[in-house]
Amino acid sequence: EAGVTQFPSHSVIEKGQTVTLRCDPISGHDNLYWYRRVMGKEIKFLLHFVKESKQDESGMPNNRFLAERTGGTYSTLKVQPAELEDSGVYFCASSTYATSGHNEQFFGPGTRLTVL
Amino acid sequence: RKEVEQDPGPFNVPEGATVAFNCTYSNSASQSFFWYRQDCRKEPKLLMSVYSSGNEDGRFTAQLNRASQYISLLIRDSKLSDSATYLCVVKGNMLTFGGGTRLMVKP
Repeated sequence: EAGVTQFPSHSVIEKGQTVTLRCDPISGHDNLYWYRRVMGKEIKFLLHFVKESKQDESGMPNNRFLAERTGGTYSTLKVQPAELEDSGVYFCASSTYATSGHNEQFFGPGTRLTVL
Repeated sequence: RKEVEQDPGPFNVPEGATVAFNCTYSNSASQSFFWYRQDCRKEPKLLMSVYSSGNEDGRFTAQLNRASQYISLLIRDSKLSDSATYLCVVKGNMLTFGGGTRLMVKP
């Protein structure tokens, strides 16, 4: 079974440009999460989708970040315009639906974003 | 203060050694606790969940002390392949990660 995939694996852009990251979760996983790790810091939660709905977007840093999951399958995370401090590794994770307790989140390989 | 605190290491140990990592968390309402493993430039992968009663998976033992808000991971008989960063992760409404503890097992 294919795991979580992310595209691109690396992206180098200039400050002020736009970048769109894509995540394909494991098939059948209703929960999709975005996380980010900036240099020297811990991995931080950005937001959580349940199917196509945003369940929690409390970790989104500002309105330059826009996440979508139309149709409840893959998700995109757009940064517009990118700033230097947006550089880091963006991870996507997915899990099955759980009415209670915790279902393991499976992480994708990440997209390494560098803003120059 | 960080929500989840870990000693960043690195811990340099010889093969066969026993090594222990600790982690403290600040949110007493946290519900679930985990150790993840992350290899260099790879994604985090769940190593094991952590329960108050303590749990063991082969050479790995995890322990949770809710009163002290403290989590531990013990690795016995270290292997070269155990070299990685170990992330302490706490779940409230979302997963909150520690900065990780780097382990290097030497021959």
